[in-house]
Amino acid sequence: AQSVTQPDIHITVSEGASLELRCNYSYGATPYLFWYVQSPGQGLQLLLKYFSGDTLVQGIKGFEAEFKRSQSSFNLRKPSVHWSDAAEYFCAVVPSWQGGGNKLTFGTGTQLKVEL
Amino acid sequence: EPEVTQTPSHQVTQMGQEVILRCVPISNHLYFYWYRQILGQKVEFLVSFYNNEISEKSEIFDDQFSVERPDGSNFTLKIRSTKLEDSAMYFCASSESPSAPLHFGNGTRLTVT
Repeated sequence: AQSVTQPDIHITVSEGASLELRCNYSYGATPYLFWYVQSPGQGLQLLLKYFSGDTLVQGIKGFEAEFKRSQSSFNLRKPSVHWSDAAEYFCAVVPSWQGGGNKLTFGTGTQLKVEL
Repeated sequence: EPEVTQTPSHQVTQMGQEVILRCVPISNHLYFYWYRQILGQKVEFLVSFYNNEISEKSEIFDDQFSVERPDGSNFTLKIRSTKLEDSAMYFCASSESPSAPLHFGNGTRLTVT
């Protein structure tokens, strides 16, 4: 079945430490891939997206993500986490073979806690 | 930066009542969406809307739901007869084109008692 999985429900890191949030997808072909962040009381904000081309994608707020076709993964990374990064992070996909569109399928989210 | 705004931020209603959730998309956007997130569950697509008609809807979006763009700025989601299981955070989103990134509002938390 087609799905997007975020294996980690909660992650805690110390401020200044590096971060990697995992996302795996299960589709017959590579979908369009997205990472969104949701801060408390806020809407979903797009961090970055991958459609094609360079497999390392730069986003806002110092985040990047790497697409690995062999692993069906699109992991989100940040070299040094700030306390303000504490939020919930969602991986999302759109089937590219359906012409894209914005019918996003979201993962279950990873709640990031940052310890000072 | 332009924002998608949603009102109210929190709506409490009794089972069986009608509710209307309101959204003001970004002004030059043409594609509009509703998503919802039941507490502890995934964010789910409900419906997309373009050119005054529904483009696509999920199986969740049954006859109890409807969407409307009543004027040039608002985009509404109506639930005709609310059920307990409709309690969720409802997000409105808009985009310039079908492949452009979505801009989400802050959501309306609907509580059905």
